[in-house]
Amino acid sequence: KQEVTQIPAALSVPEGENLVLNCSFTDSAIYNLQWFRQDPGKGLTSLLLIQSSQREQTSGRLNASLDKSSGRSTLYIAASQPGDSATYLCAVNYSGGGADGLTFGKGTHLIIQP
Amino acid sequence: NAGVTQTPKFQVLKTGQSMTLQCAQDMNHEYMSWYRQDPGMGLRLIHYSVGAGITDQGEVPNGYNVSRSTTEDFPLRLLSAAPSQTSVYFCASSPRAGGTGELFFGEGSRLTVL
Repeated sequence: KQEVTQIPAALSVPEGENLVLNCSFTDSAIYNLQWFRQDPGKGLTSLLLIQSSQREQTSGRLNASLDKSSGRSTLYIAASQPGDSATYLCAVNYSGGGADGLTFGKGTHLIIQP
Repeated sequence: NAGVTQTPKFQVLKTGQSMTLQCAQDMNHEYMSWYRQDPGMGLRLIHYSVGAGITDQGEVPNGYNVSRSTTEDFPLRLLSAAPSQTSVYFCASSPRAGGTGELFFGEGSRLTVL
């Protein structure tokens, strides 16, 4: 079974710091990878979608990279703000998985201290 | 823009009762899916649909039924609720029929089975 692992499970940093969240996956034959944000009691919001042919995607202060050969993706958050506090999940769509959904990591719970 | 709408947001059931969780999207997405989110387990796919009239099972389909009579609606039915079905349920849709595009989530339905 494909697995997606996110380390660390929780992270607390002071406001203003740049930080990196990690995601690793066991099978490099992926179709794409998505990063999501989940606020307490809310649904998931898609942040960035990286296709297997891409190395990175950027949106504002967020930058996601993808290294298929090593089975890793990182989400870089620049100049963190208290509003960035949330749980961040990565999810992989495997080439062989087709329509039967994404494989999710368990998330990194991020707290930005004012 | 409503996006993906789930009702109800909260529900308490007794063991053996049945109910339907509603999901509607107004984005004309072909792909819709249901996930459950449990502490320590992450998100797991229950059922999915690649278009009206087509449904298929995901990772954890037992105890749940779905139908897709229209593009907009994808209800999830619990036939005889069990305490193990206590969870937060999320409906998601994607503009790509295979579910390989960006995934849009509803805000979730929190179900407690006593």
